[in-house]
Amino acid sequence: QKEVEQDPGPLSVPEGAIVSLNCTYSNSAFQYFMWYRQYSRKGPELLMYTYSSGNKEDGRFTAQVDKSSKYISLFIRDSQPSDSATYLCAMPNSGNTPLVFGKGTRLSVIA
Amino acid sequence: GAGVSQSPSNKVTEKGKDVELRCDPISGHTALYWYRQSLGQGLEFLIYFQGNSAPDKSGLPSDRFSAERTGGSVSTLTIQRTQQEDSAVYLCASSFLFGLGETQYFGPGTRLLVL
Repeated sequence: QKEVEQDPGPLSVPEGAIVSLNCTYSNSAFQYFMWYRQYSRKGPELLMYTYSSGNKEDGRFTAQVDKSSKYISLFIRDSQPSDSATYLCAMPNSGNTPLVFGKGTRLSVIA
Repeated sequence: GAGVSQSPSNKVTEKGKDVELRCDPISGHTALYWYRQSLGQGLEFLIYFQGNSAPDKSGLPSDRFSAERTGGSVSTLTIQRTQQEDSAVYLCASSFLFGLGETQYFGPGTRLLVL
C-alpha cells in the first residue's frame, strides 16, 4: 500500500458546485497535512496546511483532517473556472525526510 | 521577491546523452529539494540539501542521477546516459529552513523528453 492514496480523477464540475477532494494515508506518524495546487505547466503552490484533526477554513477552501480514519479532505465552495488545476495532498514525514505526495486529482470547473 | 527558477524549461535529448538541469532557489533559503513528476506517478522525491549537511540522496532512482549544490545556493541535477523512462518534469523546491511544517516553494520545472 502506498503511503498516500489520492484518486487522480479527472473530476469535472459545473461552476458554483461544491468540490470534495480526498486523500487517505497509512502512516500514523504524519502530523502535518498540506494541500498544493498545480496549474498546468507550473510548479505546485501551497494552498493550505493543517496540523492535527479538525477543520481549517480559508475563504472558499476548507481543509479537514480525520486522524482516526487517516483521511483528509479539501472542500472548495462556489467553485470557479479559475480553480481548474491539479490538487495534491502532501505530508511531511517525521524526522528529516521531505514531503510525501499523493498523485494529485485533476479538477475542471466548467463555466 | 523572485521565486524559485529552473532552467532550461524544456529539454529534448537523445537516449544515452547526459543532461544537466539547474535550480536557483529563493535567496536565503537553506533547504533545496529535487522531485520528479511523471504522468500518473505524482511527485517523487529525489534528493535534498540542507545547509552544509551531506545531502539526502535516498530518493535517487539509480547511480545515473546525481546532484550538487554550490555555495549553498544554485543546484544542478545531472542525469547520465539518459533513458526513455527518465522523461518527466523535474521540479526543484526550496524552503527557509528544513523541518516539519516548513513551506516548500516550487519552481516551474524542467520538462525532459528522452527520445
